[in-house]
Amino acid sequence: QKEVEQDPGPLSVPEGAIVSLNCTYSNSAFQYFMWYRQYSRKGPELLMYTYSSGNKEDGRFTAQVDKSSKYISLFIRDSQPSDSATYLCAMSEGGGTSYGKLTFGQGTILTVHP
Amino acid sequence: DGGITQSPKYLFRKEGQNVTLSCEQNLNHDAMYWYRQDPGQGLRLIYYSQIVNDFQKGDIAEGYSVSREKKESFPLTVTSAQKNPTAFYLCASSRLGSQETQYFGPGTRLLVL
Repeated sequence: QKEVEQDPGPLSVPEGAIVSLNCTYSNSAFQYFMWYRQYSRKGPELLMYTYSSGNKEDGRFTAQVDKSSKYISLFIRDSQPSDSATYLCAMSEGGGTSYGKLTFGQGTILTVHP
Repeated sequence: DGGITQSPKYLFRKEGQNVTLSCEQNLNHDAMYWYRQDPGQGLRLIYYSQIVNDFQKGDIAEGYSVSREKKESFPLTVTSAQKNPTAFYLCASSRLGSQETQYFGPGTRLLVL
């Protein structure tokens, strides 16, 4: 079993839809939770960063972390064709020898069609 | 413009050959990382460095080597011992104390001839 599981999709939605992307994990020591967006043949860019449980909102994007269920989500409201990309979740324990070591999900390919 | 540069964009390796991928950053970040990305497997950590002249193995270091002689540079050598080197290689950097927020370069795609 992988430490982080992410549905690879692909996910195809119409413009304006609400998109839900999810990851589950098995390591209860994870404290930092990130979402990266990666356009085709490009490096990932950091979208959202959350410490511990709770919600965080940034424009059309909302990140949720439920540590009790070991489940994180990224919601995209009013999705746009420019949101078409691969979305990667990443997690870290933080501190000690694990400092800066990120564990990534497989990535979900999202296509938003006009 | 501040950022991370990787070169070359594409690299071809012959059997038995060592190749070196370049990574440079002008963000004044102390920590730098190398990841490998294969289809359907996300990113896997090869090596990371938190300070000049020091680096640690990641999850898949076998067949790779690195050096960190300058703060700005963290080259990765793919040696002939790496039997399956075809992948997309990504370099990243971060500030110490904010190592969960990493900034990535554009990547190098390595192909075997």
